[in-house]
Amino acid sequence: GNSVTQMEGPVTLSEEAFLTINCTYTATGYPSLFWYVQYPGEGLQLLLKATKADDKGSNKGFEATYRKETTSFHLEKGSVQVSDSAVYFCALEATGGGNKLTFGTGTQLKVEL
Amino acid sequence: EPEVTQTPSHQVTQMGQEVILRCVPISNHLYFYWYRQILGQKVEFLVSFYNNEISEKSEIFDDQFSVERPDGSNFTLKIRSTKLEDSAMYFCASSEALFRRRTSGDSYEQYFGPGTRLTVT
Repeated sequence: GNSVTQMEGPVTLSEEAFLTINCTYTATGYPSLFWYVQYPGEGLQLLLKATKADDKGSNKGFEATYRKETTSFHLEKGSVQVSDSAVYFCALEATGGGNKLTFGTGTQLKVEL
Repeated sequence: EPEVTQTPSHQVTQMGQEVILRCVPISNHLYFYWYRQILGQKVEFLVSFYNNEISEKSEIFDDQFSVERPDGSNFTLKIRSTKLEDSAMYFCASSEALFRRRTSGDSYEQYFGPGTRLTVT
């Protein structure tokens, strides 16, 4: 079946540090890939997405590239801010699977001054 | 900006009791979903709902669970007889449409609510 594996947290970084959160997936066909973010007390918000191989999703300084050869969709940001502290979820939507999302466990990011 | 709302934010119930979790999806959305996340585990799909019927459900969504759109705005998840293992965060989501756009390959974004934390004692 479909699955998503992402690095365990929590991840603690200093402000302006480089961020990478690893995400790999298992799926048949050509899934769409997503990163969702959950700020404290709020719902999951779509951060970025990519729908085909080699697509790069980007938003708010975050980027992730759909790598079919390595089945990965790692999240990166060049310089994190305290306001980026949140839980980040990698997810996929399989082809022909309606809109059902398959999520990873989430990675908590804490950014300190 | 329109948003999905969920009530209550936290529900405590005793094992064997019925609970109803409520969601108000975004008003022009047609597709509705429930997901749950047991503490420390993955967010799991439970069910999707369209046109007053279930579109898809997971193996988790057994006879103890039901969903309903009782009026034009609410979308509810009912657990008939709660078990300890039902303790989790339950997320409601809605989207404009279900099927991927055939030309661009884009998916319709699912908008999530803040979740209801269900604690079964």
